[in-house]
Amino acid sequence: DSGVTQTPKHLITATGQRVTLRCSPRSGDLSVYWYQQSLDQGLQFLIQYYNGEERAKGNILERFSAQQFPDLHSELNLSSLELGDSALYFCASSVIQGAATEAFFGQGTRLTVV
Amino acid sequence: AQTVTQSQPEMSVQEAETVTLSCTYDTSESDYYLFWYKQPPSRQMILVIRQEAYKQQNATENRFSVNFQKAAKSFSLKISDSQLGDAAMYFCAYTYKETSGSRLTFGEGTQLTVNP
Repeated sequence: DSGVTQTPKHLITATGQRVTLRCSPRSGDLSVYWYQQSLDQGLQFLIQYYNGEERAKGNILERFSAQQFPDLHSELNLSSLELGDSALYFCASSVIQGAATEAFFGQGTRLTVV
Repeated sequence: AQTVTQSQPEMSVQEAETVTLSCTYDTSESDYYLFWYKQPPSRQMILVIRQEAYKQQNATENRFSVNFQKAAKSFSLKISDSQLGDAAMYFCAYTYKETSGSRLTFGEGTQLTVNP
């Protein structure tokens, strides 16, 4: 158990819909990262939050957004869903110590868009 | 931009034998970190081993060791005495030192099969 909790584990929704994925980081970790794992794109970094503020953006679509709340949990919002958004979405967290540190991953949310 | 390449989509090994997974990367940074992550069928991403670029000594974790060749930008993973539980997708990953965190750039992955 990594200590990072993601809900839900599975999600099936229709095209055009909007979903919210939730992540609770490890206790004490200030930084949260979202990654997308799909068959054609592999594992890609989407976005990072640190202590409530957006710190870095990767290949995140404009239809997607995220935020980190005061209690440090994070949500990834996916809207106007398309079939190609079907993927495994991971959240990871790490402690910032002024250097690269190990990121601990949650078990992922499997999103299926039908 | 940093890139990570794993040229072996699939590998297989006999139980108790040794296998080496290859990874190359490209970066202009001098202070960075390299990782191998394991993803079993459960989908969980599990850190196997980590190497700091400033350390010349290759990292070792029990049956797992790396061959880090900084000049060649190569970072291979050796699994000794392979076990059935080692069967998984293995990802090589890179990150560089930055004050805000440690976002990872992943390779395409190598699917490892362990034959009994």
